[in-house]
Parts: sequence; structure tokens; C-alpha cells
Amino acid sequence: RKEVEQDPGPFNVPEGATVAFNCTYSNSASQSFFWYRQDCRKEPKLLMSVYSSGNEDGRFTAQLNRASQYISLLIRDSKLSDSATYLCVVNSPLYGKLIFGQGTELSVKP
Amino acid sequence: GAGVSQSPRYKVTKRGQDVALRCDPISGHVSLYWYRQALGQGPEFLTYFNYEAQQDKSGLPNDRFSAERPEGSISTLTIQRTEQRDSAMYRCASSLSAGGTGELFFGEGSRLTVL
Repeated sequence: RKEVEQDPGPFNVPEGATVAFNCTYSNSASQSFFWYRQDCRKEPKLLMSVYSSGNEDGRFTAQLNRASQYISLLIRDSKLSDSATYLCVVNSPLYGKLIFGQGTELSVKP
Repeated sequence: GAGVSQSPRYKVTKRGQDVALRCDPISGHVSLYWYRQALGQGPEFLTYFNYEAQQDKSGLPNDRFSAERPEGSISTLTIQRTEQRDSAMYRCASSLSAGGTGELFFGEGSRLTVL
């Protein structure tokens, strides 16, 4: 089983739609969780950290479910500019390395 | 600039040659990570350092791959006797904090093509 798993998509949604991505992780002792965004042919960049109580940043909401070992990202009122690949990142508690999921591709259409 | 710098940006080499990829992290950043990314996949962990100490090299595919960060700043990823399957984008990232708790800042990557 992979340490971090995501549905690769693609998710094709119209502008204005709400879309949600899930990511599961295998190590119950993981403590740090993040969502990164990667545009085509570019380097990944931090979108937001994920906190235990859940957190929101504008149209983006991140949630953590420790019992089921998954994190989620909700995007409301999708914009064309949200089209990208969204990468789930989890730390491995033993040595602190950061593990990326495969990424979920989002395409927002007019 | 103040970001993570990687060189070369593009490297084409023949099978069997050795290559060295360099990463210059953001000044003062404690952690430095190396990843490999294939098209359509997420970054695959290779190795990482806190200061000059290599914390985890479990992701290095085999003993042809090695990395060092001798003075806790610039790092070099070396691939010996390259093979076609080594062709990929190699990404370096640095973080101000250790332990996988902080934001990673990536360089633009080094694209390696092995003929």
C-alpha cells in the first residue's frame, strides 16, 4: 500500500462548481499534512497546511480525519485559474520526510 | 535570487555516464529534500538532509544514486552509470524547519534525459 494515495482524476468541473478531493495516508502517527498545487510544467507550491480542527482560506477548506486517516480539500466557486494538479503531502513520523501523493488533476471549464 | 536554485536545468547524457545535479537552497534553510518526478505523477521522495546530516536515504532507488550536503548548504545528487530509466525531472526543495513540519520551497528542477 502506498503511504499517501489520491484519486488521480481528472476532475472536470464547470466554473462556479464545488469540488472535493480526498487523500488517504497509511501511517497513523503522521503529524503534518499539507496540500500543494502544481501547475503544468511548474514546481509544486504550498496551497495550505491542514490543521486538526480544519481550516479555511478563502474558497479553500481543508479537513483532517485522523480516525479514518484521510485529509480532504474542498474548493468552492471554482475558477478557471484553479485548474492544476493538487498534491496531498504527509510527513513520515520516523524520520520526518515528506511524502507526496500522486496528485489529483482538476480542470475547470467555462 | 532568493529562491532555490538548481543546475543544470536540462541535462542530456549517454547511458553509462555519471551526472551530478546541484541544488542551492534558500539561505538559512535547515532541511533539503531531493525528489524525482515522472510525468503525471507526484514527486517521489529520494533523500533528505537536516543541515549536513543525511536523515533518510530510503528513497534512493539503488546504489548508483548518492547525495551529499557537506557544509549544510549546497547539495549534490550524483547518479553513476546512468540508465535510460533514470530519465526524469529531479526536484530539490528546502525548508526552514526540520522534521517535515514546514513549507517546502522547490527549485525549478533539473530535467535529465539519458539516451
